[in-house]
Amino acid sequence: GAVVSQHPSRVICKSGTSVKIECRSLDFQATTMFWYRQFPKKSLMLMATSNEGSKATYEQGVEKDKFLINHASLTLSTLTVTSAHPEDSSFYICSAAQGLLAFFGQGTRLTVV
Amino acid sequence: QQQVKQSPQSLIVQKGGISIINCAYENTAFDYFPWYQQFPGKGPALLIAIRPDVSEKKEGRFTISFNKSAKQFSLHIMDSQPGDSATYFCAATAGAGSYQLTFGKGTKLSVIP
Repeated sequence: GAVVSQHPSRVICKSGTSVKIECRSLDFQATTMFWYRQFPKKSLMLMATSNEGSKATYEQGVEKDKFLINHASLTLSTLTVTSAHPEDSSFYICSAAQGLLAFFGQGTRLTVV
Repeated sequence: QQQVKQSPQSLIVQKGGISIINCAYENTAFDYFPWYQQFPGKGPALLIAIRPDVSEKKEGRFTISFNKSAKQFSLHIMDSQPGDSATYFCAATAGAGSYQLTFGKGTKLSVIP
């Protein structure tokens, strides 16, 4: 299957700082990528749909000013958590679609201290 | 409104046994049903998927059964192994080219020796 690489896998940051997470489709071009958040022992919650060359579409209740998404190329989308707070600590996962199939990155464990 | 209902929440199966996870959906526009396997601290990995024009799909020890009239589908893992211990998510998406997945809540499978 297609490979989606997400970086970093783990990050610890201080409260009030910003953190950038990268999602790359390594062997295919993805016009659409998705960002999810997953709480412990819970399902994936879609945060936003990232469209190459245009603004992201955010799900209801997701703060677009806190979770900045940029999809500057067909192989890269970034999620920046701005002014992070402990409640933003979570597992963030991206996915990219190829045909009918969606492939997921390895996830990023964000801990805000 | 939960559009994909998954059960059971957790499942313990003896090695060599059959693991069965069930999902039901409400949205009749759904036309593609993938299953994902997720290990702790990792992103979900596509396991197997089915479209509603077939009633069953088998790949190795993994089989999806699909009942369109009942709007239900299930994952069967034959000869379950300890390495199959993971969380399994069913998902659904609607429309050709629509990659936005609706996930079930997940089933934590534990295969005991």
